[in-house]
Amino acid sequence: EVHLVESGGGLVKPGGSLRLSCAASGFTFSSYSVNWVRQAPGKGLEWVSSITSSSSYIYYADSIKGRFTISRDNAKNALYLQMNSLRAEDTAVYYCVRDPSYGGLRYFDLWGRGTLVTVSS
Amino acid sequence: DIQLTQSPSSLSASVGDGVIITCRASQSISGYLNWYQQKPGKAPKLLIYAASSLQSGVPSRFSGSGSGTDFTLIISSLQPEDFATYYCQQSYRTPYTFGQGTKLEI
Repeated sequence: EVHLVESGGGLVKPGGSLRLSCAASGFTFSSYSVNWVRQAPGKGLEWVSSITSSSSYIYYADSIKGRFTISRDNAKNALYLQMNSLRAEDTAVYYCVRDPSYGGLRYFDLWGRGTLVTVSS
Repeated sequence: DIQLTQSPSSLSASVGDGVIITCRASQSISGYLNWYQQKPGKAPKLLIYAASSLQSGVPSRFSGSGSGTDFTLIISSLQPEDFATYYCQQSYRTPYTFGQGTKLEI
């Protein structure tokens, strides 16, 4: 069965850092683009970052550009999000999301359960 | 950035009803529009991609249409498990923005 499992969330002080991980299983991870999408408590969905299958292309939302870094290790079937200079407004559930990028189409067909990041003093 | 506006923001309906949710983009996105369903405490689930393609395993009572700037999600006969929040998302260009959501309530 296919799975994405996030880890690394927790409570961090403003200005602090955190590294999220996402473990993929049940599919050929190296063939897919993957993304981070977040959802603040009681709010809607916000796309955060995307990385293509071979890490050739990386994209970020303006709200996190310069503070967050996405990366992947295809040998370990893993996706990462290094988050620095965290702010209260970064508090959210962070989802790891697969994108088949099939035939030029992009859509998010597999989601992890999410990991909660809370930024508070 | 491309803005997506969903309407209505909330909707009350009954089992067996048909409902329509609309999503309007601030500029043309061709057919690069996806729909997701989210239940409380759960991750979103893909329903429709590329405006009208039904994701595998999704019941046929869900359908999507539209192109350019105007899109619709139709649920033909509501089932109890369909009461949830629905989001549209554009994948035309980054940032891949989402609509604000439509909460479908009994």
